[in-house]
Formats: sequence, C-alpha cells, structure tokens
Amino acid sequence: GQNIDQPTEMTATEGAIVQINCTYQTSGFNGLFWYQQHAGEAPTFLSYNVLDGLEEKGRFSSFLSRSKGYSYLLLKELQMKDSASYLCAPTSTGGGNKLTFGTGTQLKVEL
Amino acid sequence: NAGVTQTPKFRILKIGQSMTLQCTQDMNHNYMYWYRQDPGMGLKLIYYSVGAGITDKGEVPNGYNVSRSTTEDFPLRLELAAPSQTSVYFCASSPSGGQFFGPGTRLTVL
Repeated sequence: GQNIDQPTEMTATEGAIVQINCTYQTSGFNGLFWYQQHAGEAPTFLSYNVLDGLEEKGRFSSFLSRSKGYSYLLLKELQMKDSASYLCAPTSTGGGNKLTFGTGTQLKVEL
Repeated sequence: NAGVTQTPKFRILKIGQSMTLQCTQDMNHNYMYWYRQDPGMGLKLIYYSVGAGITDKGEVPNGYNVSRSTTEDFPLRLELAAPSQTSVYFCASSPSGGQFFGPGTRLTVL
C-alpha cells in the first residue's frame, strides 16, 4: 500500500530557503520523484532520488532516507515564480512504472 | 518533439453524454497514464498502459475506459458522464522512471 504525508501549505519570503518534507510508507519502494505544479498547469519534473543522500540541481536539492521513509525538497534563493504546489511521488517496483502522488504542498513566496 | 498533447483543452458535458479525451505522445514511450485531479487534491491514477495492446486499471477506473492500439495514442472514454467526473484530466507518458505530462483537459459535467 501507499501512504504519503506532506504539509498542506507553506509560506516563505523571497530570497529565503525553504524545506518541504515528505514521509511515505510504500510497499516495494524503488525511488522518489518531486514535481512542481503551477496553478492551472501540468506537473513538471524536478528531481528523482533512488539512493540515500542529497541530490543538488541548481537552486533545488532533494534528499532521501530510505530507512526512514523520508524525503525533502530544498529550495534556495526563493523567487516569486517558485510559488506553486510541490508533489512528492514515491514509486515502487510493482509493474507499470506507476507513481503515487501526495496531495502536494502549496508554497507561497512573499515579498 | 511536441511531447504529450491532449485534446480538447476544455469541455462541458451534460449528464449522461459520452466523450473521448485524446492523448498523443511522439517520444516513443512505452508507458502511458491517465490521471484526474480534483481541486486541491493530488493526482489519482485512472488507467495505465505498459505498451500497445496492454492496459490496466489504476486507483479510480470506474466510469472510464481506455484503449492502446498504437504506441502514440491512449484515448480515455467516458460513456455516461456524471457530475462526479468533473475534474482536470492529465495524460502522461514515460520511457521508464519519470513521467512527462500533457497540458490537461478541464472537464465539467452539468
């Protein structure tokens, strides 16, 4: 089965750093994706973690701890355009390459 | 590459009408998916396909049907539209791993 937990909303200031946490309980866990979704638009890929540790990609970094069922997305030097929903999506080794999406964390960046 | 395309962008249906949501990808991906997303909620998997001729149910398949006659196309059929099917529908494709999403179809059933 799947159980994914993310905060519903977060607010941060432009230029600051924000960390969005995700805990999951996934049978046959394989890896974890983070997607960004602006209002009224489709989700877009941000990161993918398979191994434990931190993956850095520009202003965005993602961390995974497989033993703790925990991941976070770190956004640095926040910009107004980062205001969006951030979706945590673990994947399992079951057939179909399926993702299960959390309800997402709505991030609001303020001046 | 156009990526994943969906038509129509918007549609209003009356209760009991039927329609097909079209999805096409030009990336030669084997895997394709249909999701629905209700306001303020996460994406729920309706149906998916691992290749031409193979489809399987996702989390919320009731009221929908799919077919996959070619690698490129994965249409979603609503036979008897109900107000509960008012939602935004996203199609996605994947080679394996990450999924690439189409722009979505916003469907309202009145």
